[in-house]
Amino acid sequence: DAGITQSPRHKVTETGTPVTLRCHQTENHRYMYWYRQDPGHGLRLIHYSYGVKDTDKGEVSDGYSVSRSKTEDFLLTLESATSSQTSVYFCAISEGASNEKLFFGSGTQLSVL
Amino acid sequence: AQTVTQSQPEMSVQEAETVTLSCTYDTSESDYYLFWYKQPPSRQMILVIRQEAYKQQNATENRFSVNFQKAAKSFSLKISDSQLGDAAMYFCAYLSYNQGGKLIFGQGTELSVKP
Repeated sequence: DAGITQSPRHKVTETGTPVTLRCHQTENHRYMYWYRQDPGHGLRLIHYSYGVKDTDKGEVSDGYSVSRSKTEDFLLTLESATSSQTSVYFCAISEGASNEKLFFGSGTQLSVL
Repeated sequence: AQTVTQSQPEMSVQEAETVTLSCTYDTSESDYYLFWYKQPPSRQMILVIRQEAYKQQNATENRFSVNFQKAAKSFSLKISDSQLGDAAMYFCAYLSYNQGGKLIFGQGTELSVKP
C-alpha cells in the first residue's frame, strides 16, 4: 500500500468551529489532492497541490483552505465548519500529471453538528 | 465542463455470472483518460482499470474489461465470473490529459453479489 496517512479518521465537531484535516505521505510524490465524497455525487475535488506552497482550487473549494509547507504534508482547513461540510474526505497523491498512479488515503469521516 | 454519469445506482449479480456497469461522459476534448475505481465497505479507493482515449483497444485486467465507445462517449465495465469480493461501490472517472489527479467522478453504482 502507498504510504498515505489521514488524520483523524473520524471527527465530530460543532457548527462554527475550525477544523483541520491532515494528509501525510511517505512516497515523496509531487501532487496531492483533497476530495470529498457525498451520496449521489461521487468524489469531488476541493483543492490540490503541485508542489510545496503551490496549491490551486478544485471544483468545490468554497469554505476550505489548504496549506503545504512540506512535501509530505497537505492540510485541509475548514475555517468555520457548517453542516453542509459533513462528508468523507479523501486525500490522494500522484507522481505526475498522467495520473496513472493515483493513490488514495483511507478517508476521514467528518460530522458537523 | 466535463461530466460523468452513472445511471445505475444499484446493480446485482449472481456469483460466477457476468455483470456490466454503465458509464457515459460528456466532453469536447479528444485526449483524456477514463478509470473505474472500486470502493469496498472499508472505504479504500482501488483502481480497477484505466483506459487512454487515443487507444482503440479496450483495456482488460483479469476478470475486468471495458467497452470503450469514444464516439458514443460510453465507458462500461464488465466483470466476468463475479466473486463475493467484487461487492462494492464502483465509480467511473474522467481525467483531462495532463491534468494531474483532477478526476471527475460519476455518482457511483453499488454492486451486490449474491451467493
